[in-house]
Amino acid sequence: DGGITQSPKYLFRKEGQNVTLSCEQNLNHDAMYWYRQDPGQGLRLIYYSQIVNDFQKGDIAEGYSVSREKKESFPLTVTSAQKNPTAFYLCASNHRDLTNSPLHFGNGTRLTVT
Amino acid sequence: QKEVEQNSGPLSVPEGAIASLNCTYSDRVSQSFFWYRQYSGKSPELIMSIYSNGDKEDGRFTAQLNKASQYVSLLIRDSQPSDSATYLCAVIPGYSSASKIIFGSGTRLSIRP
Repeated sequence: DGGITQSPKYLFRKEGQNVTLSCEQNLNHDAMYWYRQDPGQGLRLIYYSQIVNDFQKGDIAEGYSVSREKKESFPLTVTSAQKNPTAFYLCASNHRDLTNSPLHFGNGTRLTVT
Repeated sequence: QKEVEQNSGPLSVPEGAIASLNCTYSDRVSQSFFWYRQYSGKSPELIMSIYSNGDKEDGRFTAQLNKASQYVSLLIRDSQPSDSATYLCAVIPGYSSASKIIFGSGTRLSIRP
């Protein structure tokens, strides 16, 4: 079955440690996205990538980094510079060349930093 | 003013009734509109997309778009307890790509037996 796989589902880290969240898709989508969701708030865009080896900052990129070495993979690193990293992280993808292509989401990773 | 606004709820509807969820947006030339359902602790799931004025029906769901009044709504007929979730409205403003999609904060819907 085609889909977007995020791992792990839950992640616990100590403050000051970097952590990498995995996102893999087999939908043959060109574009991939990372969002952050905090309780009672909408989704906020962290980074997105429309083609391999290229990515753009979203609205809240500070303290995060990404790479896009393969079409299928778009890992997100939460660095120690991110002031409030505890959140629900969602990876999404869609067809870049279709104007109205909706986003499809992975199951999310819930990160807790103490 | 938020670019995509939804009433946070909770909206409580009896089982079997029609649930009506509303969303307003600020960018007059927006072209693409989506409704996502999000169960507690889960990721958003696309349930409807609409691009033209009028109604679009899919099973028990109907999306309604009125570009002149800048609102989009979602009707759920014959509401079931399994419809209890948060519903996110999403809009791609102007003639932008999906990277510019804006999500509302969501309306929490509760279907009471």
